[in-house]
Amino acid sequence: QKEVEQNSGPLSVPEGAIASLNCTYSDRVSQSFFWYRQYSGKSPELIMSIYSNGDKEDGRFTAQLNRASQYISLLIRDSKLSDSATYLCAVMFPWGGATNKLIFGTGTLLAVQP
Amino acid sequence: DGGITQSPKYLFRKEGQNVTLSCEQNLNHDAMYWYRQDPGQGLRLIYYSQIVNDFQKGDIAEGYSVSREKKESFPLTVTSAQKNPTAFYLCASLAGGPLSDTQYFGPGTRLTVL
Repeated sequence: QKEVEQNSGPLSVPEGAIASLNCTYSDRVSQSFFWYRQYSGKSPELIMSIYSNGDKEDGRFTAQLNRASQYISLLIRDSKLSDSATYLCAVMFPWGGATNKLIFGTGTLLAVQP
Repeated sequence: DGGITQSPKYLFRKEGQNVTLSCEQNLNHDAMYWYRQDPGQGLRLIYYSQIVNDFQKGDIAEGYSVSREKKESFPLTVTSAQKNPTAFYLCASLAGGPLSDTQYFGPGTRLTVL
């Protein structure tokens, strides 16, 4: 089983709709969870981090963490054409001693349709 | 402006040639990372460094080398031993401290073998 799994998509939503992106992870010890957005040919940019069970909202974005189910999601409300990108889920895992390691999923391509 | 810079943006390598990718940050971050991204895949860790004059292998270190002589700089050399080096290379740095484990990425270098 992969450590961090995402559906590769593409996920297609109409402009103005809610986009729901999902991610599962394999290690219960993980403390930190991140969503990055990556436009084609560009580097990832952080859009949300979440550390506690429940929801965290930032503008049109809501990250949800369910540790019992080892599940993270990202909701994007009022989707805009500029939200079209690949969304990478990342989980910080313990990696020996005091070192942690950030593991990325393969990303979900979101296509917002006009 | 604070940030992470990578150069060059595009790099072409001939078979059997070593090339060095530059990564510089002025964020005063201790930890720096090199990742490789192939089409349709997530980011894979090549090397990381938590402090000056110390670095550790990641998951795919074979054919790569690094140095960390200054806090600000973490160059990556792609050697001729790396058989499939064509990829998008991303450098990241991390702001440490409690719950401050967010990695920030440079703009990336796209390496192509001719």
